[in-house]
Amino acid sequence: EAGVAQSPRYKIIEKRQSVAFWCNPISGHATLYWYQQILGQGPKLLIQFQNNGVVDDSQLPKDRFSAERLKGVDSTLKIQPAKLEDSAVYLCASSPRDEQFFGPGTRLTVL
Amino acid sequence: AQSVTQLGSHVSVSEGALVLLRCNYSSSVPPYLFWYVQYPNQGLQLLLKYTTGATLVKGINGFEAEFKKSETSFHLTKPSAHMSDAAEYFCAVSVPFSSGSARQLTFGSGTQLTVLP
Repeated sequence: EAGVAQSPRYKIIEKRQSVAFWCNPISGHATLYWYQQILGQGPKLLIQFQNNGVVDDSQLPKDRFSAERLKGVDSTLKIQPAKLEDSAVYLCASSPRDEQFFGPGTRLTVL
Repeated sequence: AQSVTQLGSHVSVSEGALVLLRCNYSSSVPPYLFWYVQYPNQGLQLLLKYTTGATLVKGINGFEAEFKKSETSFHLTKPSAHMSDAAEYFCAVSVPFSSGSARQLTFGSGTQLTVLP
């Protein structure tokens, strides 16, 4: 069974630029999550989708971050414009019910 | 709201020694509990989980954890550390959203395990 796919794996941008991350969850998993993991900290939930509807986006900085889940499958997370403090690993996970399966993450560096 | 506290951001053990990583949680509803491991430049891998039933759960790579409701703890142990166990370990608590069946996962800040030769 293929795991959660994410791209790109690494991205370096300058502040005020835009960036987008892509996630392809495990086939059949209804729930999809985006997390932000800052160096030395645990992952923090940004947004959670159930099929193509948003369950929770209370910690998503909506003035600069946006996310969508296309047809209840793939998802994109966008940052526009990026700030220095957005430097982190962005993890995507999917879940059939109780357990979450994580992708390898995208490491974003904002200069 | 739920929360997780991992005691000790860094733990060092000798190869062959007991590994004990501590996790305490706070939750107003019966939680599901998880331990994940993260190797450098990789995503999180599930070690073990507690949902219901037996409070002592066994996971991969010889790890196990015991859910103790009275102590609100879910400590991770392994009898004999191996060099390959060196990684970062995260405890997490899962509770349902009030609106439905979806669950929310909250992570602790992690414990970096170093295994000394």
